[in-house]
Amino acid sequence: DTAVSQTPKYLVTQMGNDKSIKCEQNLGHDTMYWYKQDSKKFLKIMFSYNNKELIINETVPNRFSPKSPDKAHLNLHINSLELGDSAVYFCASSQDRATEAFFGQGTRLTVV
Amino acid sequence: AQSVTQLGSHVSVSEGALVLLRCNYSSSVPPYLFWYVQYPNQGLQLLLKYTSAATLVKGINGFEAEFKKSETSFHLTKPSAHMSDAAEYFCAVTDQAGTALIFGKGTTLSVSS
Repeated sequence: DTAVSQTPKYLVTQMGNDKSIKCEQNLGHDTMYWYKQDSKKFLKIMFSYNNKELIINETVPNRFSPKSPDKAHLNLHINSLELGDSAVYFCASSQDRATEAFFGQGTRLTVV
Repeated sequence: AQSVTQLGSHVSVSEGALVLLRCNYSSSVPPYLFWYVQYPNQGLQLLLKYTSAATLVKGINGFEAEFKKSETSFHLTKPSAHMSDAAEYFCAVTDQAGTALIFGKGTTLSVSS
């Protein structure tokens, strides 16, 4: 039973399209995250979402928007995709800052 | 601001040799520190964590790390490398607000027979 699951695992799309990545956690955690891993494997926080409080990394373009229908889900919607958006996107969840984050398997997004 | 620096983007060892992956942190508050491992095309898996309890932390797969406040370090070690340890390793610290993890740039560990 996967703790943090994301779909799809691979996503290839054209520039200018709008796409969504879904994430679900069954751990009962209060906080969920989206991270971006670039081609050099550098991981950077994009968003964290806790009890309806959204914290946005100021460097994230507003084309990216997280949507949380409930505590167990945090989807990532991306408008007007650009070549530079190509990366692996990881969803994660944690109970609080003193406990570890559990990561999904990642979604490899390729914009052509 | 919180940050971590991993010294050495690539470490190569022979099977059976000591593994030492270095991590230094900067934190304005008592840090929570983590080591994660990433195998190819997979997500990140927690190896171990430091949350202000014992300074020597034991993790999975025979790894351990020691928190040294005086050196602001949290180096990862394993006495004897195995081929299956070849992967990407990330050191991380929680940010000041406790809202997310800040990762180092990662260290690729290669293990040769």
